[in-house]
Amino acid sequence: NAGVTQTPKFRVLKTGQSMTLLCAQDMNHEYMYWYRQDPGMGLRLIHYSVGEGTTAKGEVPDGYNVSRLKKQNFLLGLESAAPSQTSVYFCASSLDLAPYEQYFGPGTRLTVT
Amino acid sequence: AQRVTQPEKLLSVFKGAPVELKCNYSYSGSPELFWYVQYSRQRLQLLLRHISRESIKGFTADLNKGETSFHLKKPFAQEEDSAMYYCALGGGNAGNMLTFGGGTRLMVKP
Repeated sequence: NAGVTQTPKFRVLKTGQSMTLLCAQDMNHEYMYWYRQDPGMGLRLIHYSVGEGTTAKGEVPDGYNVSRLKKQNFLLGLESAAPSQTSVYFCASSLDLAPYEQYFGPGTRLTVT
Repeated sequence: AQRVTQPEKLLSVFKGAPVELKCNYSYSGSPELFWYVQYSRQRLQLLLRHISRESIKGFTADLNKGETSFHLKKPFAQEEDSAMYYCALGGGNAGNMLTFGGGTRLMVKP
């Protein structure tokens, strides 16, 4: 039981490049989330999904897109990376009956130059 | 809009000293509050939730609706308590989403 995994762990992008971050969970959780973590700002919700095939915007969705084609996977895409998107990205999942008890992945450190 | 404030970015104490990590929230409804912790090189994980009124690793937190606070306390800090602590608020106009505070780094010195 791996819990929540994220791929890749590290990535350096140049401004304007695109990439996709993959999150996978093996706990059969309905809800999945993408956060970004910046110093002094805590975790801010980018997008979330309450089930396969559904996605919704969080607090800071601009510049990101997501897809949840399979229940166990939640993809975060950056179409045209900007230096302001340099951050640590965390994926999390939870049961629908306990949405606030979230299980987090190890994080992806992204640097955009 | 709901908001969570952790006024201290860094809290440094000596081993054996009492610890209080402050958390204040703004929310018009009935709040659900949580503390999450991130130890060095580990994942963010749930530490405790206010509805359970539990003590985890010697930590407790009491919801004070009058002062809109949910401070995390431990009577005697240990070096292994050094970590990043996040207060989080569930519910409200964001649906079933968590709103996190900015986090407090706790350093326990020997």
